[in-house]
Amino acid sequence: GAGVSQTPSNKVTEKGKYVELRCDPISGHTALYWYRQSLGQGPEFLIYFQGTGAADDSGLPNDRFFAVRPEGSVSTLKIQRTERGDSAVYLCASSLWGQPQHFGDGTRLSIL
Amino acid sequence: DAKTTQPNSMESNEEEPVHLPCNHSTISGTDYIHWYRQLPSQGPEYVIHGLTSNVNNRMASLAIAEDRKSSTLILHRATLRDAAVYYCILRETNSGNTPLVFGKGTRLSVIA
Repeated sequence: GAGVSQTPSNKVTEKGKYVELRCDPISGHTALYWYRQSLGQGPEFLIYFQGTGAADDSGLPNDRFFAVRPEGSVSTLKIQRTERGDSAVYLCASSLWGQPQHFGDGTRLSIL
Repeated sequence: DAKTTQPNSMESNEEEPVHLPCNHSTISGTDYIHWYRQLPSQGPEYVIHGLTSNVNNRMASLAIAEDRKSSTLILHRATLRDAAVYYCILRETNSGNTPLVFGKGTRLSVIA
């Protein structure tokens, strides 16, 4: 069946620009997670949705980062005024309650 | 979540068994031991999890020490496709949908 889909797969933009990263979870999965992975490191948690609401956003690094999931399915991670330090692979995962998480292949974001 | 310790890297010959260790000396009685792996240019994928008893599935086996302070992921016959970073993660029994806390994992190389 269809897995977690993330678009775009790659995004290159200039410092200071606004970017949106999209995640299509597995159909029926109520939980959706965003992680960020820097080179040589394990994924780092950003935010988690249960349905439409953000259940835990403690991992968002600052107020330039925001995420939404308006209908409880697709989610968008939004980054304002991008900085070079935001360059990373952004991973999305989804799951049923208490079940293993299923990850997409990520969006590689490069800030020039 | 309690901390885990894994070797940075390991190497195996193709078609031989691989034993990937994980130390978790501060594990609590309600922590499950989860393993995920991440193939190159892909998101992490779930491998296996257990609480006290050894577990087997189509991908691997999980051997848990009697005192639960360590565990070993066993790949019975390594293939080139098993070359990946393997993460050992602890999650509380009733954590529902809490995010995963990744360390740096063990990078497994498989030699043909």
